This record gives sequence, structure tokens and C-alpha cells, in this order.
Amino acid sequence: GAGVSQSPSNKVTEKGKDVELRCDPISGHTALYWYRQSLGQGLEFLIYFQGNSAPDKSGLPSDRFSAERTGGSVSTLTIQRTQQEDSAVYLCASSLRVTATATNEKLFFGSGTQLSVL
Amino acid sequence: KQEVTQIPAALSVPEGENLVLNCSFTDSAIYNLQWFRQDPGKGLTSLLLIQSSQREQTSGRLNASLDKSSGRSTLYIAASQPGDSATYLCAVKQTSYDKVIFGPGTSLSVIP
Repeated sequence: GAGVSQSPSNKVTEKGKDVELRCDPISGHTALYWYRQSLGQGLEFLIYFQGNSAPDKSGLPSDRFSAERTGGSVSTLTIQRTQQEDSAVYLCASSLRVTATATNEKLFFGSGTQLSVL
Repeated sequence: KQEVTQIPAALSVPEGENLVLNCSFTDSAIYNLQWFRQDPGKGLTSLLLIQSSQREQTSGRLNASLDKSSGRSTLYIAASQPGDSATYLCAVKQTSYDKVIFGPGTSLSVIP
């Protein structure tokens, strides 16, 4: 596609339910990031995928959060047993990894998924 | 651990003024630094990317500089317009962990 696509754009769920958020990166982009942005806050890094390498999961806030990337393209972020503090905008970004030094690779963002946990 | 800060947190200026937004980072081992713009309820749009070997980048009325050794970058906006009102975020891509770390942003309001 022309840009990074995220779905759904809005998700309202009840506390304790599981949710899945989807990210479709720009075709050919090997790097994919998930971030969380709470109201009025900056971007909190969650997880990073690069090609076939093991993902960097260091930003996941708890074991209720997991993510996978199938076939090096689409990624799904899953939140199990949602809590009210999980309410935030979840942003996905991708970039093209051209060189090992990665100096000139812009990050392209999707419009995000607004998650509300009641 | 890399920490990115931005000053000021918020800024309100009359239309036509030139302004400077500041970004600081604690670990100078970076591949690049990017400046983004975020409009309310929207995703982020990349404005400028400065590679670690570069000192500045320019795009239209925007100029970004990078002093890697001191851990600082500035975004200069010339002749500000109401359409420039948005939140501006800087982000660094680290060499050690290969992830992109964001600052908290500066909320800019340009008053007509």
C-alpha cells in the first residue's frame, strides 16, 4: 500500500477482554515498530521487528502484551486481559533497512488505533 | 539508557515569528535524529532526518541542526504560520539497541 495501515482505528473493549491490533507496513519495509501514546504523553517504545531477527521486546510493559509479525509483513499486537491503564493510542511505524548502519532510513507512521478500556 | 528531552514543553508565538525548538539526548551513539510533526488525533509525519555524520538539514522554512558530541539538536522554523501549530517530536535511532527513542514533544501554537 501507499502508507502504513492500522486497524481498527478505534477499539472500545471491556476490562478483562483480549484485543488484537493490526499493522500493515509499507511494502518492502523490513523494520516495524510499535509504540504507545497515552493522553498528553510522548511515545513509549513497545517492540521492534527487523527482518528475520529476533524482535526487541524490551518495551513491552507486561506479559499481557505480545506481538508477532507473520511473513515479515503484517504485525499483530495482542493485549490479553485488558486493564483501564492500557487505554491509549497504539502507533505502528515502518522503515526500509538499506544498510547495516541505518543512518538514512526515515520512519513512517500509521494513524494509530485508539484503544479505550471501560 | 538513552533519554531524550525537549524544551520548551509548550510554546505560543504570534504569526510571522522565527522560533527554535530544542532536543537533547544523553547517549551520542546514534545513527540519526529525526524531527516529526503530530497533529491532534493523527499519526506522526517525518519532517527532517539528520544522519549522524551530518550537521544540518533544511526543508523549506525548516532547518534542523545536530551536535552529536554535545547531545543536542535544534529545529528552526522561519516565518511561522498558523498551519505550523502542532506537536513537534524529536527521535534518535541508537546504534546499540537499534530502536528509535522519542522525546516528549513541544506543543506549538502559532497565533494569527
